[in-house]
Amino acid sequence: DGGITQSPKYLFRKEGQNVTLSCEQNLNHDAMYWYRQDPGQGLRLIYYSQIVNDFQKGDIAEGYSVSREKKESFPLTVTSAQKNPTAFYLCASSWLAGVNIQYFGAGTRLSVL
Amino acid sequence: SQELEQSPQSLIVQEGKNLTINCTSSKTLYGLYWYKQKYGEGLIFLMMLQKGGEEKSHEKITAKLDEKKQQSSLHITASQPSHAGIYLCGAGYGKLTFGQGTILTVHP
Repeated sequence: DGGITQSPKYLFRKEGQNVTLSCEQNLNHDAMYWYRQDPGQGLRLIYYSQIVNDFQKGDIAEGYSVSREKKESFPLTVTSAQKNPTAFYLCASSWLAGVNIQYFGAGTRLSVL
Repeated sequence: SQELEQSPQSLIVQEGKNLTINCTSSKTLYGLYWYKQKYGEGLIFLMMLQKGGEEKSHEKITAKLDEKKQQSSLHITASQPSHAGIYLCGAGYGKLTFGQGTILTVHP
C-alpha cells in the first residue's frame, strides 16, 4: 500500500527537550513538506525539501530543524527554542514536475507536559 | 505573499441541503486545491483546478474556479453526514498557502 506514514500519532514534550517527528513515504515522490496546524487556522509551512540533502525554510521555520538524507524520509525536530510547540503537525509529499498534488500523512499531535 | 480567505468559517446544515464554501485569493490563483479533513486526521485531496472557468465534480461535490482566477467555490449537493469535516482550499505550486478552513456540520 502506497502512502505517507507519520509517527508517533501523539507526542509529549517536556520543557527544554528536543523531540523528533517521523515522516516516511513510499510513493517515490521528490518533494516533502512539513506543516503546522493550530485550532481555527489553516496549515502553515515549516520546511520543505525538493531533493535529497536539500531543504528550504517555510513561513514558520524558527525553532524547528529537518534533514533529508533519504528520498523517502523527512524527519522534523522540534527544538527547545520553539516556545509554543503544541499543535498538530502534518507531513506531505508530491511530485515536482507537472501536477504536483500534495498527499498528506495522518498527522502527529504534539503537546507540552 | 498570497492569502486565501474562506467563507463561511463554519456551516451547520440539515441532511439533504445544498451548500457552498468560498475561497477568495488576494492574487491570481495558479493551481487551486480543495482538501477535506476529519478532525485529528490528515488531509484528503478532493480536486484541483487550474484554468479560469474550470469546473470539476466528484460524486456530489463540485468545485469551480472563476474566470479571473481569484475565487473558487465548493458546492455540495444533497449533503450527508459523511460530508461533515473541515474543508480547506490551498493554492500555489510546490509551496502551498492554505485558507483557514470551513467547518461543516451535517445534522441527520
